[in-house]
Amino acid sequence: AQSVAQPEDQVNVAEGNPLTVKCTYSVSGNPYLFWYVQYPNRGLQFLLKYITGDNLVKGSYGFEAEFNKSQTSFHLKKPSALVSDSALYFCAVRDISSNTGKLIFGQGTTLQVKP
Amino acid sequence: DTGVSQNPRHKITKRGQNVTFRCDPISEHNRLYWYRQTLGQGPEFLTYFQNEAQLEKSRLLSDRFSAERPKGSFSTLEIQRTEQGDSAMYLCASSFAPGNEQYFGPGTRLTVT
Repeated sequence: AQSVAQPEDQVNVAEGNPLTVKCTYSVSGNPYLFWYVQYPNRGLQFLLKYITGDNLVKGSYGFEAEFNKSQTSFHLKKPSALVSDSALYFCAVRDISSNTGKLIFGQGTTLQVKP
Repeated sequence: DTGVSQNPRHKITKRGQNVTFRCDPISEHNRLYWYRQTLGQGPEFLTYFQNEAQLEKSRLLSDRFSAERPKGSFSTLEIQRTEQGDSAMYLCASSFAPGNEQYFGPGTRLTVT
């Protein structure tokens, strides 16, 4: 079965420090991977995706993610965290069992950036 | 604003009542998805439309749930005889192609009392 795991419920980091939010996946075949961010009482905002090509993907708001096939990981990173980055982050993989493009999400990681 | 919109943003209803939510996707997107998100969880897929055709429904979607997308534009999600377990955020998303990113609306938060 396909799945996504976000092993940390919460990540705490000081403003200006680098941040990493972890994601691992289980998919047969080549994965389509996504990161979304959710602010309180809001929908999800797309940050970045990996489909093919360069393993380092750059996205919105200075975020990037590194695809690692051997470790089946797709960790989200940012060199210098901002207080405004505090939010709920979701990793997702496209469900390849159908042609719909539906996404399977992890349970989310709360990022807390402290001044 | 050309993003995905959803109405209402909040709905409080009593158990046993029917509710209907509306989603207006990005106009050029022919693919529309409904997801449900409960507290502390990631969104879970409910159903998918390509144009006006409903092509997939999750097992999460009991027979009390029905969705439509007339003319391939806006979509509605109706829940009949609501139960307390239906309390959740209902999210709509649209995309242009299956490998493309999905754009989400702000969601409708349903509370069943």
